[in-house]
Formats: sequence, C-alpha cells, structure tokens
Amino acid sequence: AIQMTQSPSSLSASVGDRVTITCRASHDIGNNLGWYQQKPGKAPLVLIYAAVSLQSGVPSRFSGSGSGTDFTLTISSLQPEDFATYYCLQDYNYPLTFGGGTKVEI
Amino acid sequence: QVQLQESGPGLVKPSQTLSLTCSVSDGSISTGDYYWSWIRQPPGKGLEWIGYIYYFSGNTDYHPSLQSRVTISVDTSEIQFSLKLTSVTAADTAVYYCARGRYYYETSGFYYDSWGQGTLVTVSS
Repeated sequence: AIQMTQSPSSLSASVGDRVTITCRASHDIGNNLGWYQQKPGKAPLVLIYAAVSLQSGVPSRFSGSGSGTDFTLTISSLQPEDFATYYCLQDYNYPLTFGGGTKVEI
Repeated sequence: QVQLQESGPGLVKPSQTLSLTCSVSDGSISTGDYYWSWIRQPPGKGLEWIGYIYYFSGNTDYHPSLQSRVTISVDTSEIQFSLKLTSVTAADTAVYYCARGRYYYETSGFYYDSWGQGTLVTVSS
C-alpha cells in the first residue's frame, strides 16, 4: 500500500496567517490526491481533488499544488472557521490511503 | 444535494458481525458514475478506507487488512448500500462513514464529495 506522510501533525496559527501543510507519497501517484477538512464530530469535507482542483463551494483561500510524490495544501489567510484537522487522500491505487492528519489550532 | 445516512447497531459483541446500511436520498446509486464507499475512524485517530462498490459493474475493492472479513453490497432496493464486517474485535470500534466517490476523468481517480454523518460502532461484550 502507498504510504502517505503528512506534516506537521499539528500547528498553531492565528487568524490571517498563511498556512502550509504537506503530504508525501511513498510512490509516484501523479495528480491523484485530495485534501479533506474535518471538524470535531463531523464528517470530512473535500477541499481539493486531483491535487489542484478546488471543489465547488470551497473558498478560494484554499489551494493545492504538487504532483508525483510531494503535495501541498495552502490556506492563504486563515479564518476562524478553518481551525480543524486536514487529511490528504491518495486515489492512485487501492487501497486508498489517508495521511495521518494535521490539526490546525489557535 | 444528496444526503447519505448510516444506520445500524451501535454495539456489537466480539466475534459477531457488524452490519451497517447507508441510505442515499437521491437514488444516484443506480444512475450515476459513483464509487460507493465505507471509511472508518477509531476514536481520536485518523481515517481508514475500508472499500467500495461500483454499481454498474458490481466491482468491489477492499483494504487488504480487512479483505477476508468485509463485504460491501448494494441492496436490491438500489437506494441503499451495506457493509458487513465479520469476526469483529475491539480494534473495529470506530465511527463508520459511508461516502460517495465521484469519478474524475483528468486522472481517472475519484474523490469523496458526499458523506454520511457517521455512526459510532463499539465492539464490546
């Protein structure tokens, strides 16, 4: 199975900060990567798919980049509602695998 | 906007079978190009993909660590799909989510655009 290593596992930030989260795949996965946001007690919500495509309805402050093995999720200006845990997910092959998560805290 | 809703027992005894159903509000199981999936999350931990079923071909794929114990199927009603996990242990205690995987052609992948709210299943005697 492809291993997805996400970093950092947690970070502290303030409203207005630029935040960057990275995900590294153990094998080349092309552009088959998505980013999900999860708030406590809630289901995950897709932000980005195909590494760079913004899901409809997601604010433009979220962006994705990368291909191959190294990927980045950027929040350009952190808002209060963005404090959550973020996961990457590779859909290149089965089993699909998630990164370990990054908790964004105040 | 499609809604997914998990249902099933919240408590299962060790060695028994966990059975969950996911109801899909808009009937898109049999009408759309989707991968109907189950994903779980142990309390306080990360997400684990369990598997999917693709309605039109009946194809399924499961996580290798669960393959011998898991079955995902579409109910004959075609408005629900199900998860069965046999011989459960405490390690199967988790919030179980059903989700709809939307295919995208750019890279022949899919992403989860709709999720159920999740249901906690505890394995305990």
